[in-house]
Amino acid sequence: EAGVAQSPRYKIIEKRQSVAFWCNPISGHATLYWYQQILGQGPKLLIQFQNNGVVDDSQLPKDRFSAERLKGVDSTLKIQPAKLEDSAVYLCASSQGLADTYNEQFFGPGTRLTVL
Amino acid sequence: AQSVTQLGSHVSVSEGALVLLRCNYSSSVPPYLFWYVQYPNQGLQLLLKYTSAATLVKGINGFEAEFKKSETSFHLTKPSAHMRDAAEYFCAVSNTNAGKSTFGDGTTLTVKP
Repeated sequence: EAGVAQSPRYKIIEKRQSVAFWCNPISGHATLYWYQQILGQGPKLLIQFQNNGVVDDSQLPKDRFSAERLKGVDSTLKIQPAKLEDSAVYLCASSQGLADTYNEQFFGPGTRLTVL
Repeated sequence: AQSVTQLGSHVSVSEGALVLLRCNYSSSVPPYLFWYVQYPNQGLQLLLKYTSAATLVKGINGFEAEFKKSETSFHLTKPSAHMRDAAEYFCAVSNTNAGKSTFGDGTTLTVKP
């Protein structure tokens, strides 16, 4: 079974530029998560989808971050415009069940973003 | 609300020595608790999980953790460290009514030869 795929693995941009990350979850997984992991910290949930609907985006900085999962499968996370403090690893995870019950999350390798 | 505190951002042990990584949690409902390992440039891999069954949980790679409700702790142990155990370890808590997890800030384990 293929794992969670993310691309690109690395991205370097200048502040005020835009960037997009892509995630393809494990086939059949209903719930998808985007986490931000700043160096020296644990992952922080940005947004959680169940199929193509948003379950929780309370920690997403909506003035600059957006995410979508239009067909309930793969997802994109966008930052526009980027700030220096957005430098982090962006992790995508997926789980099989619905968002209101516990299901094991499977993580992708992450995208390391550096904002100069 | 839920939170996790990992005591000690860096732990160093000698190969063959006991590994003890500390985790304390706070949760308003009975929690699910997890330990993940992260190797450089890789995603998180689940080591073990507590989901209200046995309080002593055994995971992969010889790790285990004990859920102690009275101490609100879920410390990770391994009797004998290997060089390959060098990595970053994250403790996480999940509300049983929701899938999302809250992570601690991690503990970097160094294993000395």
